[in-house]
Amino acid sequence: GAGVSQSPRYKVAKRGQDVALRCDPISGHVSLFWYQQALGQGPEFLTYFQNEAQLDKSGLPSDRFFAERPEGSVSTLKIQRTQQEDSAVYLCASSDRAINYGYTFGSGTRLTVV
Amino acid sequence: GIQVEQSPPDLILQEGANSTLRCNFSDSVNNLQWFHQNPWGQLINLFYIPSGTKQNGRLSATTVATERYSLLYISSSQTTDSGVYFCAVVPVAGTYKYIFGTGTRLKVLA
Repeated sequence: GAGVSQSPRYKVAKRGQDVALRCDPISGHVSLFWYQQALGQGPEFLTYFQNEAQLDKSGLPSDRFFAERPEGSVSTLKIQRTQQEDSAVYLCASSDRAINYGYTFGSGTRLTVV
Repeated sequence: GIQVEQSPPDLILQEGANSTLRCNFSDSVNNLQWFHQNPWGQLINLFYIPSGTKQNGRLSATTVATERYSLLYISSSQTTDSGVYFCAVVPVAGTYKYIFGTGTRLKVLA
């Protein structure tokens, strides 16, 4: 596609509910990144894929967070048993180089856990 | 880890004014990008500028990598320039992930 597409745009989850956030990167982009942005803060790195391989998941805050990119294109970030502290905007970015070059970000998913 | 500090943290301008935003980083970097996050949360890439100077319309940016800073210039500001400006860097020390700065929140008044 022309840009990075994320869905849903907004998600309200009850505490303890599982959620899945989708990212559709720019077609052909090798690298895909997930970031978390808390209110009033800059984005913080969660995880990185090169094609279908998850090369870095050091930023995932707990084992409740899981990401996948099984065919090297669309990626899903899953959060199990959501907690209030998971409330944030989740941003996906893609890049057309195997080694990071310039990112293009999606519009993000705003997750609110109530 | 690397520290990325931006100044000023907040800025209010009258429409038509010029401004300079600064990004200081504490270690050598491979990549640097400037982003604008609009009031709807969209992060828009302004410049990929690990070194040198670039211009795009009313915006221009300069990175002096040896002195570990970058500047973003906004001329003849418009209300649509409002939002948060982030500088993000990839440190030389063996990583590929961008580390974001603290941001500058800009409000342009009509």
